Amino acid sequence: DQQVKQNSPSLSVQEGRISILNCDYTNSMFDYFLWYKKYPAEGPTFLISISSIKDKNEDGRFTVFLNKSAKHLSLHIVPSQPGDSAVYFCAASAIKTSGSRLTFGEGTQLTVNP
Amino acid sequence: DAGITQSPRYKITETGRQVTLMCHQTWSHSYMFWYRQDLGHGLRLIYYSAAADITDKGEVPDGYVVSRSKTENFPLTLESATRSQTSVYFCASSHLAGGYTFGSGTRLTVV
Repeated sequence: DQQVKQNSPSLSVQEGRISILNCDYTNSMFDYFLWYKKYPAEGPTFLISISSIKDKNEDGRFTVFLNKSAKHLSLHIVPSQPGDSAVYFCAASAIKTSGSRLTFGEGTQLTVNP
Repeated sequence: DAGITQSPRYKITETGRQVTLMCHQTWSHSYMFWYRQDLGHGLRLIYYSAAADITDKGEVPDGYVVSRSKTENFPLTLESATRSQTSVYFCASSHLAGGYTFGSGTRLTVV
């Protein structure tokens, strides 16, 4: 049972344009959501997070939107840069019931073309 | 150096052998985790630990054993390696609920 799903294995955008990565979840107990970025031969690194009490969180070029009723979150990168090319993982946790355990999606490979 | 380190970075082993992947963190984080990354599956939790001497199974624990005698170390042992355990393994630690710091990974090939 995949509780966190990223339905697009890959996404290709032009430099300067917006990248939108999507993530859906099924567990209504999830109350904290994160995005991680992973370059080849490196471990994932934390990018941005959002609590379920918010519907938007912004950090520079990165914005995460949360739609609780649809159980959907998205990561917007504006403007996209070639250095953003990486695998992006969506993750979720149910802090009240599972503490620090994170459930990850399958990942989306983002390619930003110069 | 401060951080979380995994060793070895690369390992080739034969089917049926026992192999141990090491993970060491310098922050005294309470929580530590082992994930495996496979194409099409993303990151799947193998085992985790909330503190020294406290461990619990994750999503895919079969064939793996962990221990946590000291806060800073969390080794993962494959008791009898199988080809299906060929994967990239990531260790992570967390002080507060929600945010992980990952190691650089161990690429394990079972032949």
